[in-house]
Amino acid sequence: TQLLEQSPQFLSIQEGENLTVYCNSSSVFSSLQWYRQEPGEGPVLLVTVVTGGEVKKLKRLTFQFGDARKDSSLHITAAQPGDTGLYLCAGVGNYGQNFVFGPGTRLSVLP
Amino acid sequence: ETGVTQTPRHLVMGMTNKKSLKCEQHLGHNAMYWYKQSAKKPLELMFVYNFKEQTENNSVPSRFSPECPNSSHLFLHLHTLQPEDSALYLCASSQGMTGYEQYFGPGTRLTVT
Repeated sequence: TQLLEQSPQFLSIQEGENLTVYCNSSSVFSSLQWYRQEPGEGPVLLVTVVTGGEVKKLKRLTFQFGDARKDSSLHITAAQPGDTGLYLCAGVGNYGQNFVFGPGTRLSVLP
Repeated sequence: ETGVTQTPRHLVMGMTNKKSLKCEQHLGHNAMYWYKQSAKKPLELMFVYNFKEQTENNSVPSRFSPECPNSSHLFLHLHTLQPEDSALYLCASSQGMTGYEQYFGPGTRLTVT
């Protein structure tokens, strides 16, 4: 069974600060996705990373896929209250298995 | 709006009740999913349908019964649930199966009393 771990579990920061959250596994994934879930809503896809070492930027968000395709990070620059939410990573197994979700990092950005 | 709707948004039911959750996607996708999200566990995949055919059942108890009459609609029939089944039930759809972006509905918050 492929498992994903995310850290930290909870993070509370002030507006304007930078932060990084992590997604780790002992398994190799063919691709990995990051979702953000706001209270009362379902998760919304932010990015998909496919190639080991890949870096993708989405405005103030930078996503990196580890060289070995076992881990990923999400870095947010100058966090804003609108970034508040549950950040989930989800991996697709190397043999085409369906998504495995991590437990999430709950981020709170205070004004 | 993600193009995936779920009804009802909130449901309270007793352990002897029978109820159904409904999901509809307006995206022309071929695959649909049911997930369970509870406070103490990661998002758990329950069922997968591809072109109306069930392709995955992740050891879900028989008190949960899915139904997919067509590629746009998905139901989850509930009967004799337990309090530990209280959770947010999320429906999702995707164009294809492996690795495609999943579009989630807002979920149904279920409380079993």
